[in-house]
Amino acid sequence: EVQLVQSGGGLVQPGGSLKVSCAASGFKFSGNTMTWVRQPPGKGLEWVGRIRSKADNDATAYAASVKGRFTISRDDSKNTAYLQMSNLKTEDTAIYYCLTRLVNTLVVDYWGQGTLVTVSS
Amino acid sequence: QSALTQPRSVSGSPGQSVTISCTGTSSDVGGYNYVSWYQQHPDKAPKLMIYDVNKRPSGVPDRFSGSKSGNTASLTISGLQAEDEADYYCLSYGGTYSIFGSGSKVTVL
Repeated sequence: EVQLVQSGGGLVQPGGSLKVSCAASGFKFSGNTMTWVRQPPGKGLEWVGRIRSKADNDATAYAASVKGRFTISRDDSKNTAYLQMSNLKTEDTAIYYCLTRLVNTLVVDYWGQGTLVTVSS
Repeated sequence: QSALTQPRSVSGSPGQSVTISCTGTSSDVGGYNYVSWYQQHPDKAPKLMIYDVNKRPSGVPDRFSGSKSGNTASLTISGLQAEDEADYYCLSYGGTYSIFGSGSKVTVL
């Protein structure tokens, strides 16, 4: 069974840092792109960024709103993706999701359970 | 990178058809055949309904269909049912980025 289990998150002051993890199981993690998406309370979805597989040099890409402040990484030995957030702003308050798309004979998106990050003084 | 433009709300009676538009630019929607559509019910994670403009994942009813013309993609729900009431988001690949639409609330009257 495919699972993405998130940890981390919580309350942080403006200007602070926080790291969210996404532990994967049930599929070949090392071969898959991992994506992060966020959703502020009561608002729409925002694509945050992604990291490709080692075959694609772990290439990362970020939304303009987080570029330079957020870093996505992965540890294939631990089947885990990370979202490191720095210089956090109040507008970064959101539920953060990790997700991956598995493409075989079927195409399926798998989402983590979501982690609430609250940036407030 | 502003959100792709979607109508804020769309409504229809049971059995009717509704179409949600998603307008971007030649750098994203118009430049690639990589548009996905997600359905989100309150307090739930989004669910993939359409990928690669017009392909349906297994288990998604064939009432849901996707298309694209120029810089605008569309999701059509035919034979609207009560359980289709939800928020819908498009997502487009843009080369060095991806971007979601602003979201549309579908109301079943």
